[in-house]
Amino acid sequence: AQSVTQPDIHITVSEGASLELRCNYSYGATPYLFWYVQSPGQGLQLLLKYFSGDTLVQGIKGFEAEFKRSQSAFNLRKPSVHWSDAAEYFCAVGNFGNEKLTFGTGTRLTIIP
Amino acid sequence: EPEVTQTPSHQVTQMGQEVILRCVPISNHLYFYWYRQILGQKVEFLVSFYNNEISEKSEIFDDQFSVERPDGSNFTLKIRSTKLEDSAMYFCASSVDRNYEQYFGPGTRLTVT
Repeated sequence: AQSVTQPDIHITVSEGASLELRCNYSYGATPYLFWYVQSPGQGLQLLLKYFSGDTLVQGIKGFEAEFKRSQSAFNLRKPSVHWSDAAEYFCAVGNFGNEKLTFGTGTRLTIIP
Repeated sequence: EPEVTQTPSHQVTQMGQEVILRCVPISNHLYFYWYRQILGQKVEFLVSFYNNEISEKSEIFDDQFSVERPDGSNFTLKIRSTKLEDSAMYFCASSVDRNYEQYFGPGTRLTVT
């Protein structure tokens, strides 16, 4: 069964600093990978996705993620965070042949001035 | 930009009552989904729906749950006899086709008392 691990429950970063949120997945074949962001009281907004091809994918709001098959990793990065990036971030995995997404437990990001 | 909408935003019901949660998926999307997020826990897949029938469901989606597309725009989740443990945020999502990115609505917070 597919699974997703987000090892960091809570991360605090200073505004303007760089950010990396970790995500590891467990799945036998090539997964489809996603990052979603959830602001307080809001739904899940898709930040970026990986299906195939170039392992470095660009998303909205200046985010990027790199698929590293050898490490089963799909870490989310941003070179310089803004206060508005404070939210909960979820990594999710899907696979060819079924529709469900499996989510990680999320990482809560706090931005300090 | 088209988006998934959900009503109501918050529903309070008594244990044993039936509730219907409503969703309007993005108009050209063919696959529809329900997920739930119990407070403090991860987002969990409930069911996917395509061509007017359930395509895939999780073990959570037991006989108490049903889904329907009553007309050309709405997609509903019915819980027949609510339990306290059904209290959660319920998200609707849709995708243009299988194995494409899923777009989520803002959620309905269901509180069972």
